[in-house]
Amino acid sequence: DAKTTQPPSMDCAEGRAANLPCNHSTISGNEYVYWYRQIHSQGPQYIIHGLKNNETNEMASLIITEDRKSSTLILPHATLRDTAVYYCIVRVGDGATNKLIFGTGTLLAVQP
Amino acid sequence: NAGVTQTPKFRVLKTGQSMTLLCAQDMNHEYMYWYRQDPGMGLRLIHYSVGEGTTAKGEVPDGYNVSRLKKQNFLLGLESAAPSQTSVYFCASSQQRGLAGGGVGYEQYFGPGTRLTVT
Repeated sequence: DAKTTQPPSMDCAEGRAANLPCNHSTISGNEYVYWYRQIHSQGPQYIIHGLKNNETNEMASLIITEDRKSSTLILPHATLRDTAVYYCIVRVGDGATNKLIFGTGTLLAVQP
Repeated sequence: NAGVTQTPKFRVLKTGQSMTLLCAQDMNHEYMYWYRQDPGMGLRLIHYSVGEGTTAKGEVPDGYNVSRLKKQNFLLGLESAAPSQTSVYFCASSQQRGLAGGGVGYEQYFGPGTRLTVT
């Protein structure tokens, strides 16, 4: 699986958009980008995934660059409850490999 | 629908003692996983199961055993606990589904965790 690189921490003001970057320069054509988050002391929570098109759901938007070497998770209006560690994970979407490999993620601190 | 539940929530063991952590899911998922998370680190996969009666090793399987006798339950056993096994243990389950873009993948649902201390 392709390796991902994320900044260790970021701050964001409450009500503003939080943009979390992820580099995955060795991603291959059949690998998907997944985002999970982990609020303190809780189990991780799935946010969104994408292959090459931008994706949006009720939680966030995922912007993947045209060359797919990087992506950005966008929380459009961050709240204090969005303070968490955000994990960017790259996995093959073939149905056979179902294991997630977590890095250390980005600690997003939403400030009042 | 409780999702994924874990028992117990907290436990303190002495070195050499044994215990079993229970994970239960009510979503009829085929796949189940056990992870551990040490302070300041991401989750690491211990063992996983792709169906009732089957188990497989993950990244860090040494010192642990698992069993999946029923589809809804996945047990993690420590036969002889060591201080290095002090950690937070998370269970997860998932089901295969189609992904945007045509692939097949899995969205994992996690339990609340079990905090284990081995002294």
